Amino acid sequence: QVQLQQWGAGLLKPSDTLSLTCAVYGGSFSGYYWSWIRQPPGKGLEWIGEVNHSGSTNYNPSLKSRVTISVDTSQRQFFLRMSSLAAADTAVYYCARWGITTVRGFDLWGRGTLVTVSS
Amino acid sequence: QSALTQPRSVSGSPGQSVTISCTGTSSDVGGYNSVSWYQQHPGKAPKLMVYDVTARPSGVPDRFSGSKSGNTASLTISGLQPEDEAEYYCCSYAGGYSFVFGSGTKVTVL
Repeated sequence: QVQLQQWGAGLLKPSDTLSLTCAVYGGSFSGYYWSWIRQPPGKGLEWIGEVNHSGSTNYNPSLKSRVTISVDTSQRQFFLRMSSLAAADTAVYYCARWGITTVRGFDLWGRGTLVTVSS
Repeated sequence: QSALTQPRSVSGSPGQSVTISCTGTSSDVGGYNSVSWYQQHPGKAPKLMVYDVTARPSGVPDRFSGSKSGNTASLTISGLQPEDEAEYYCCSYAGGYSFVFGSGTKVTVL
């Protein structure tokens, strides 16, 4: 059974850098794009960006200047770093899988990590 | 890149049908056949219900169907069940290798 397990610091201060990790257990690691998506409390979903197994990335234009997504294929992990955090970055952060040639949707999700930005 | 527009809420009685709209522009919904829909229960991660406008992943009941006309995509739930009560989000490819989500619709089963 394919699973995404994610972890990272949950309480950060303004101007800090957020770091999250998502590990892929089971299934193929190539053939997909691996995304980060966030959801502020009580609000909708926002796509942050994605990476594939070879390290090719794409980002939401509105967040691109603060975000870096990277991958470690040998460990089957991918990562999110977001700098210059503000209170507006408080959200549940999800990792998710997008199928390139099969199911072209976010068909597998992590459980989410609540990141709170507060002084 | 603005969020796609969805109605805040829709409701129906068990067994009825409800339709959720998702309105974008020619740069996202209208420009690509890459619209997907997600169901989210409180405190849970979203679940993929429809992809490529009309396709259903394995295990999703055929009560859920998707369509698109111009810049508006729609998700129809036929034969509404109590377990269908949830928040629903659309998502579209928006060009430039990016995605945009809808604002979300709360479905209430009366």
